[in-house]
Amino acid sequence: DAGVIQSPRHEVTEMGQEVTLRCKPISGHDYLFWYRQTMMRGLELLIYFNNNVPIDDSGMPEDRFSAKMPNASFSTLKIQPSEPRDSAVYFCASSHSALGNTIYFGEGSWLTVV
Amino acid sequence: SQKIEQNSEALNIQEGKTATLTCNYTNYSPAYLQWYRQDPGRGPVFLLLIRENEKEKRKERLKVTFDTTLKQSLFHITASQPADSATYLCALVPPNAGNNRKLIWGLGTSLAVNP
Repeated sequence: DAGVIQSPRHEVTEMGQEVTLRCKPISGHDYLFWYRQTMMRGLELLIYFNNNVPIDDSGMPEDRFSAKMPNASFSTLKIQPSEPRDSAVYFCASSHSALGNTIYFGEGSWLTVV
Repeated sequence: SQKIEQNSEALNIQEGKTATLTCNYTNYSPAYLQWYRQDPGRGPVFLLLIRENEKEKRKERLKVTFDTTLKQSLFHITASQPADSATYLCALVPPNAGNNRKLIWGLGTSLAVNP
C-alpha cells in the first residue's frame, strides 16, 4: 500500500488567501484524522472522521478551518482566510477500527503563511 | 485534564549503549500507551503499544515498560545505532475510550546516537 498520501507537501501563501490541503487515506481504513504540529504545542488533533462522518471537530481552532470527507478515499482541510499563526505542519492520518488506536500518518503538508 | 510529559531536553548517547526515554502522565491511568518515532520532515511512525495490564513489551531491540503506580512508561532501545536518532513520541488512550479515537500526545524527546 502507498500509505497515507498528502498534498501539497509544501505551501507558502500570503495572509488572507485560501489554503486547501488534501489527503488520501490508506485503502480500507475507516478512520481519518487531521492533526496540526508545531514546536510549542506538539501534535494537536483538529478533527476526525469515521466512515466519512465527522465525529469530533472540537480541535478545529476557528471557523476559518473546515474539513470535508466526501468519500472514503479523499478528504480536504481548508483554511480561509489564512493567517500567519496558521503556519505549521498539517498531518493527515488514517486507521482501521480493527487496529485499535494505532494510526498511520502521511508525510505532512508544511504550510507557511506570510 | 490528562497530560503527558516527556523530557524536553535532547538525549545524546554513544552508539551501542541503551537509550531510555521517559513518558510520565498525570491523572488517570490510560487504557494503553503507544510509542511513535518521528524523523525530521516525516510523519510519526507507530512502534509499540503497551496495555494497562501489561508490565513490559518487546520488539527486537525495543522494550517498553508501563508502571501505573509511578504513572510512567519507559522506552528502551538496546544496542543503539546512529540510525535510531529521531524524535520519539508517547501517546495515550484514555480508559473507557470506546470508539473515541482522541489520543493524548506528548511533545516528544529527541534522541541522538553518536557513532
